Amino acid sequence: EIVMTQSPATLSVSPGERATLSCRASQSVSSNLAWYQQKPGQAPRLLIYGASTRATGIPARFSGSGSGTEFTLTISSLQSEDFAVYYCQQYNNWPLYTFGQGTKLEIK
Amino acid sequence: QVTLRESGPALVKPTQTLTLTCTFSGFSLSTSGMCVSWVRQPPGKALEWLALIDWDDDKYYSTSLKTRLTISKDTSKNQVVLTMTNMDPVDTATYYCARSPNYDILTGYPSFFDYWGQGTLVTVSS
Repeated sequence: EIVMTQSPATLSVSPGERATLSCRASQSVSSNLAWYQQKPGQAPRLLIYGASTRATGIPARFSGSGSGTEFTLTISSLQSEDFAVYYCQQYNNWPLYTFGQGTKLEIK
Repeated sequence: QVTLRESGPALVKPTQTLTLTCTFSGFSLSTSGMCVSWVRQPPGKALEWLALIDWDDDKYYSTSLKTRLTISKDTSKNQVVLTMTNMDPVDTATYYCARSPNYDILTGYPSFFDYWGQGTLVTVSS
């Protein structure tokens, strides 16, 4: 099983600043990596797939990068609605999807 | 417009069998490449994938839970059903269904989840 490790567990950033979230896979997942945003009481929302492709309707301030085992989600200028929990997910190692444990992005 | 909605009991007793239904609209599970999965999330914890069924009726299960899970579909009703046997308090979680829109061209495997239901909280307690 591929283990996805996200860091940090909690990230405190001020509105308007840049946030950088990391996700590491225990073995290569190529570019088969997705990022999801989850707000309290809501379902996850797809942000990024294929490591770097924004999903439909996702603002350009969200960007993803990386391949193999190291991935990054960057939010260029944080808006109030961006404070949430973010999960990475690999879909390269089948038949088993795995998620990271999440990074909570909180207001500083 | 793609929507998914989970339904099922909010409370089950230990050792009972849980049956959840995902009713969806805006797509057909008979379309090549289309898949529906179940994912759960214990309170305050991370997401855990449980099972997937694809347009061709192929079924895949989490390695750790495969002996307890059964996934099925009724294409005519636009529904996917998950049963989980021998429920335990540690199975208390919000259960989501989610759609994968295609098989990844390079891997040949199902891809990411583009739409999710709102989730249903299931509590296991006597």
